[in-house]
Amino acid sequence: QQQVKQSPQSLIVQKGGISIINCAYENTAFDYFPWYQQFPGKGPALLIAIRPDVSEKKEGRFTISFNKSAKQFSLHIMDSQPGDSATYFCAASGAGNQFYFGTGTSLTVIP
Amino acid sequence: GAVVSQHPSWVICKSGTSVKIECRSLDFQATTMFWYRQFPKQSLMLMATSNEGSKATYEQGVEKDKFLINHASLTLSTLTVTSAHPEDSSFYICSAPGGDQETQYFGPGTRLLVL
Repeated sequence: QQQVKQSPQSLIVQKGGISIINCAYENTAFDYFPWYQQFPGKGPALLIAIRPDVSEKKEGRFTISFNKSAKQFSLHIMDSQPGDSATYFCAASGAGNQFYFGTGTSLTVIP
Repeated sequence: GAVVSQHPSWVICKSGTSVKIECRSLDFQATTMFWYRQFPKQSLMLMATSNEGSKATYEQGVEKDKFLINHASLTLSTLTVTSAHPEDSSFYICSAPGGDQETQYFGPGTRLLVL
């Protein structure tokens, strides 16, 4: 059972454009929502994370938007660069610290 | 940030043999660690929660007798794939929560190929 649903599966964006990846969850016990970036053959690296008490968090070119009532959250990458090309995973966790990952989005930024 | 290492980074073994993968928190202690497996171009699937000093907690559908987990110290958890078969070939990743018990630090992963 996929606890976190992610879309799109793949995304191609021009350099300088905005990349948007969406996730949705069902379990209202989740209270921590991170985004991870993964390069081939490497472990995931934390990009940015948010808790449900805020609707938006921005760190540099990365912004998370969170809609608690809709149980959805999204990652926006502004001014996308070729070096951003990677697979992005959203995740959700609750009290037990177990992370449940979305299915991943393969982002390609075209120069 | 905190560092988690895994050893080996890749391993090739014959069908029927057992393989041990180590996960270490290098500069912090972790009473809990998590093990994931990831198939090519797919998501990370949580396999089990490793608890220091007690039995691991396995996710539904994960065979505990096949994937043996030992959390021997506050900085080391091991995953042993027993009697490995080709279908066990995958990318195995561990993680540990940082001091805030919120941020998860992931290891670099171990690629297992069973021939």
